[in-house]
Amino acid sequence: NAGVTQTPKFRVLKTGQSMTLLCAQDMNHEYMYWYRQDPGMGLRLIHYSVGEGTTAKGEVPDGYNVSRLKKQNFLLGLESAAPSQTSVYFCASSYSTGGNGYTFGSGTRLTVV
Amino acid sequence: AQTVTQSQPEMSVQEAETVTLSCTYDTSESDYYLFWYKQPPSRQMILVIRQEAYKQQNATENRFSVNFQKAAKSFSLKISDSQLGDAAMYFCAYRALYGGATNKLIFGTGTLLAVQP
Repeated sequence: NAGVTQTPKFRVLKTGQSMTLLCAQDMNHEYMYWYRQDPGMGLRLIHYSVGEGTTAKGEVPDGYNVSRLKKQNFLLGLESAAPSQTSVYFCASSYSTGGNGYTFGSGTRLTVV
Repeated sequence: AQTVTQSQPEMSVQEAETVTLSCTYDTSESDYYLFWYKQPPSRQMILVIRQEAYKQQNATENRFSVNFQKAAKSFSLKISDSQLGDAAMYFCAYRALYGGATNKLIFGTGTLLAVQP
């Protein structure tokens, strides 16, 4: 029972480089989310998806793109990385109703130099 | 828009003692869920406890309990008999009851709990 799997766990990018963070869940959850965690700011929502083929912007979407071509996968892309995108990124998934909270991945620590 | 506020950036407790972490929130909804998540140094987000707003009874999970005051929009976490393994960042979070585009977890900024031996 893998839950939510994020890859990679760590990455260092140079400014201007691009990369994709991968998130996969095996719980048949409808909803998936990408958050970033920064010191003193908690977790802030970047983008989310309420179903296959649909995505929406969260609180801090600038500089990121997402895709959900399959229900179990949610990809987060950085087209041109900036130092301000240095952060810990969490993927999460959930059922559509609110009671069960989220299942989180283990996070990706991204450093942009 | 809903907001969650944790006013204590850091707390400290002696092993075996009790500590209470504070959380307030703002919403115009009458039905919703509230959560406390624990994030140890491993970075994994772990659900500690959950409260349904329509239930008056405070939720408890072993040494963890909440004081839910709906009218005051307050949701504090009490950790009894604190253990070294309780040292972590604790996040309070809110989620609307029903699905849809607004059905997202909204987090506070966290409280870093240190447990002194």
